[in-house]
Amino acid sequence: AQKVTQTQTSISVMEKTTVTMDCVYETQDSSYFLFWYKQTASGEIVFLIRQDSYKKENATVGHYSLNFQKPKSSIGLIITATQIEDSAVYFCAMRESSNTDKVVFGTGTRLQVSP
Amino acid sequence: EAAVTQSPRNKVAVTGGKVTLSCNQTNNHNNMYWYRQDTGHGLRLIHYSYGAGSTEKGDIPDGYKASRPSQENFSLILELATPSQTSVYFCASGDPGGEGFSNERLFFGHGTKLSVL
Repeated sequence: AQKVTQTQTSISVMEKTTVTMDCVYETQDSSYFLFWYKQTASGEIVFLIRQDSYKKENATVGHYSLNFQKPKSSIGLIITATQIEDSAVYFCAMRESSNTDKVVFGTGTRLQVSP
Repeated sequence: EAAVTQSPRNKVAVTGGKVTLSCNQTNNHNNMYWYRQDTGHGLRLIHYSYGAGSTEKGDIPDGYKASRPSQENFSLILELATPSQTSVYFCASGDPGGEGFSNERLFFGHGTKLSVL
């Protein structure tokens, strides 16, 4: 069964620095899709970025990028030049090709960015 | 922008009572999901649906039922509510692998805070 694990409960960084959040996953599928979502202080959950398992290039969107290490079943989220408004909870998620409809999430990592 | 609306936003229920949480989406997405969020557990999948008339069990379905009467609506039903079901519930919609595949993502509602006393 698919599983997503985020071991970092919380991270604190200074503004304008780079932070990496870890995520490891378990799957028997050869094809799968990995996602990161952000939950703001208001509770709103929004999509950030996605990585397809068959793509070797790491996805990048704005100041978000991914460190996809397939042999390690790892998909880290990198935020460069962090801003105060990046303070939020970040969730890693996965969908398998064999079970197209099921999307599972990790436990989340709380990021606090200080000035 | 895709819209997912949950109702009610807050609910207080008594133990043993029946609770229905509603979700409506105007995105014409095939898939809809119910998650609960608890400290230390993240977002856990309760039930999901791939279209009108379908419901599938997620990872923690016990004590919950789901109903998808139409493309737009997906309800979560607690027939006999218990204090352990006190949580924040999120509904989401999406179209995994469907049209606009490259833009695949889930759209979430704002959540329903349920307290079972």
